[in-house]
This record gives sequence, structure tokens and C-alpha cells, in this order.
Amino acid sequence: NAGVMQNPRHLVRRRGQEARLRCSPMKGHSHVYWYRQLPEEGLKFMVYLQKENIIDESGMPKERFSAEFPKEGPSILRIQQVVRGDSAAYFCASSGAFSGANVLTFGAGSRLTVL
Amino acid sequence: AQSVTQPDIHITVSEGASLELRCNYSYGATPYLFWYVQSPGQGLQLLLKYFSGDTLVQGIKGFEAEFKRSQSSFNLRKPSVHWSDAAEYFCAVGAYPWYGAGSYQLTFGKGTKLSVIP
Repeated sequence: NAGVMQNPRHLVRRRGQEARLRCSPMKGHSHVYWYRQLPEEGLKFMVYLQKENIIDESGMPKERFSAEFPKEGPSILRIQQVVRGDSAAYFCASSGAFSGANVLTFGAGSRLTVL
Repeated sequence: AQSVTQPDIHITVSEGASLELRCNYSYGATPYLFWYVQSPGQGLQLLLKYFSGDTLVQGIKGFEAEFKRSQSSFNLRKPSVHWSDAAEYFCAVGAYPWYGAGSYQLTFGKGTKLSVIP
């Protein structure tokens, strides 16, 4: 029973390039969340998606960042024109439908390094 | 705004010794509290959670945590540490009720790295 799968685990980009991070939720889960962990910081919420819908993107930077969760395939977090400040660990989490005791299951994270 | 403080960045204990990791939170309503553990190269694994009821909660791997509302604390404890417990531990707070934005916008502390001396 695979958990939340993220890839790539490590990604190196030069300034100005694009980064794409992928997340496959746990089997049976239909809700996906992205969190970011900057160096020496705790995880911070970025965006919440369901299939083909962005439910809450209040934690996303206003520019260069986007997320999607298509009907088929993994959720993708896309960062355009990366800058050094984007270097961080990006964690994806998933959950089932809200049922009063929602618990997020996290993946191992994707570590982005911008040179 | 809610916040979580983990005062200890790094703790070293000897194998077999007891452990307590501190967590203080700031939240204006009834909090939901969590402890996650992250081993190197692994995802965050849920150790335990507090929603309501008994303030002493038991988790996996022999861990327990006690919710103290008067102190706004949710400290994690283990009576005897094993070398395999070396990892980073994160405390997090979520909002009640368990739907809506608060249920998934968890606020995390910066983590405490635990080293275990054999």
C-alpha cells in the first residue's frame, strides 16, 4: 500500500529555469496539499487541490508558482523562472474526504536547489 | 495567528534514557495537535494526535504526549529511547472544527533534531 509518492526527490535548477514537482496521493485519497519548508523553518501551507479544482491557494506566492491536479495523473507544483529563494523542500500530503478526523499523510518531499 | 514553538533545535540523549521534546502553541480556539517524525530521506510520519478527551495521548513507537491547556503545551515523551528514534520531530497545530481551512492549514514548528548516543 504505497504512501504519498513524490518525485523527483532532488532537483537542481539554475536561476530562470522551471521546476516541476510531482505528487501521487495515497491510494484512495482525493485531496492533495502542498507545503514548503524553507531552511531553518517549519513547513508552511501552500495550496489545497482536489481533482481538477484548486480549493485553497492562499499560501501560494502570487507570481511564478502554480499547481494542478488533473483528472488523470499526479498533482504538479510548477515554479517558473526559479530564484535562489525558491530553494526549499516541498512536501505533498494527501487525505481522504473530510470525515471529522482528517489526518494528512505526507510524502518524503522534493528538495529543490537553485544555483 | 496560530504559531508553534519548539524551543530545542537539537537534543542528544543516550540510548535507554528518557526523552521529552517540548512544544508550545499559540491558538485562539480549541487546537488539534500533532507530532510528526521525519527520518532522513523519509516523509513525515504521524506519531500521535490530540483532538479531544484524555489529555494524555498514546502514539506509535512507544511515544506519548500530554496536552496542557493552561501551559499551551503539547510535549512529546518516551521513557526509553532507542537508537532508531534518531530523527527530526515536528509539532503541529490545526484548527477546530475539523473541516474548512483550518483542518489542512497545519502550522508546524521548526522541528527538533534528536541524536541518540549508543
